[in-house]
Parts: sequence; structure tokens; C-alpha cells
Amino acid sequence: DVVMIQSPLSLPVTLGQPASISCRSSQSLVHSDGNTYLSWFQQRPGQSPRRLIYKVSNRDSGVPDRFSGSGSGTDFTLKISRVEAEDVGVYYCMQGTHWPLWTFGQGTKVEI
Amino acid sequence: QVQLVESGGGVVQPGRSLRLSCAASGFTFSSYGMNWVRQAPGKGLEWVAVIWYDGSNKYYADSVKGRFTISRDNSKNTLYLQMNRLRTEDTAVYYCAKDGDSWGQGTLVTVSS
Repeated sequence: DVVMIQSPLSLPVTLGQPASISCRSSQSLVHSDGNTYLSWFQQRPGQSPRRLIYKVSNRDSGVPDRFSGSGSGTDFTLKISRVEAEDVGVYYCMQGTHWPLWTFGQGTKVEI
Repeated sequence: QVQLVESGGGVVQPGRSLRLSCAASGFTFSSYGMNWVRQAPGKGLEWVAVIWYDGSNKYYADSVKGRFTISRDNSKNTLYLQMNRLRTEDTAVYYCAKDGDSWGQGTLVTVSS
């Protein structure tokens, strides 16, 4: 099974400053169709997960452009260009390439 | 606007059963595969099961295989999770999710004697 490893697990941030979360997979996430099904989710305290990024770098509708995703193969990154107070929460990467099973990273807690 | 509303959670003793429901609206339910994902208290996300758009295929996490059954009724726009032989480690908030882009608010299942 694919294992997703995030780092760091805890990320203290400063308002207005950039932040970055890494996600590594134990196997390549390049699908046979050529796509890479790596997503990022945000879970604010007391809320359901919300998808921010799909297929590595595509922002979901309504997601601020301060969020960006990058990477390839087994190494991926979520960046927040300027952290805002509403960005506090836990962030998860998830692979959907090795379908039908979704695999999530352990989560990274972002706190001010 | 996509809406997913879970129900059926509660407190149940180990070894007993519970059935969760997820009522879907705002999209063509019968065209999408659907998933259950759970989150134990203070823990991360764990995928539980998926069902094809037409119910023809179903897959489960090893942790629930043989105990949980995912199903759907496309005429009622509803997804189900039948949970049998529940264990204390099944205690979690259970979310239904469509393609990863839409999630319900979750329903809490507590397995305790």
C-alpha cells in the first residue's frame, strides 16, 4: 500500500509570512493516464475537510490564490504565500492515483 | 450546490451494529462514485470504503473488510454504510465524500460498553 508522509507535523506560522508543507509518497503517484492524483485538504477546527488543491496544482473553486501546490512523482508541496488567521487548521495530502483506495498523510497542524 | 448530510450515528456497544446514511442533493448522485472516510477523535483521516456510481463495485479498507458494507439507493439519492461487529477502535466521525471535492458534516459513532 502507498504510504504518505507529511512534514512537518506541526507548523507554527507568523501572519503575513509564507508557509510550506511537504508530502512524500512511498510510490510514484503518476497514473497510467498521465495524471497525478495528489490533493491537499484543509480542516479548520470543528469543520469537515475541504479540498484546496487537486491533481497537484489545481485550486478548487473559491480557494484563495495564496494557496499553491507543486511537485511531481513522489514529492509534493503545499505553499501558503502569506498566512492569514483563517488558515489555522490541519492540512492533509491525499493520493487518489492508486485507486480505489485513498491514502492520507498524517496531517500538519498549522497554528499562529 | 452540492449537499451531503450524514445521519445515523450514536453510541453503541461493542459487537453491535449501526447503519449510517448520507443524503445527497445538488448534483446527479447516480453519476458519481461515493466514499466513506472516518476520523477518530483527535486523529487523522482514514478512508473506509468506496462504491461505484451504479453500485457495481465496492472496495473497503482492510480495517473494516468483512464487517462493513457500503451501498446506495440512487432512486433516493442516498448512500449507506452498514457497520456490523463494531469495535471500540471504530469510534470516529464518519464522513461521506463525493470525489473528494465535497464532504458532509459528519456523524459521530461511539463504540463503548
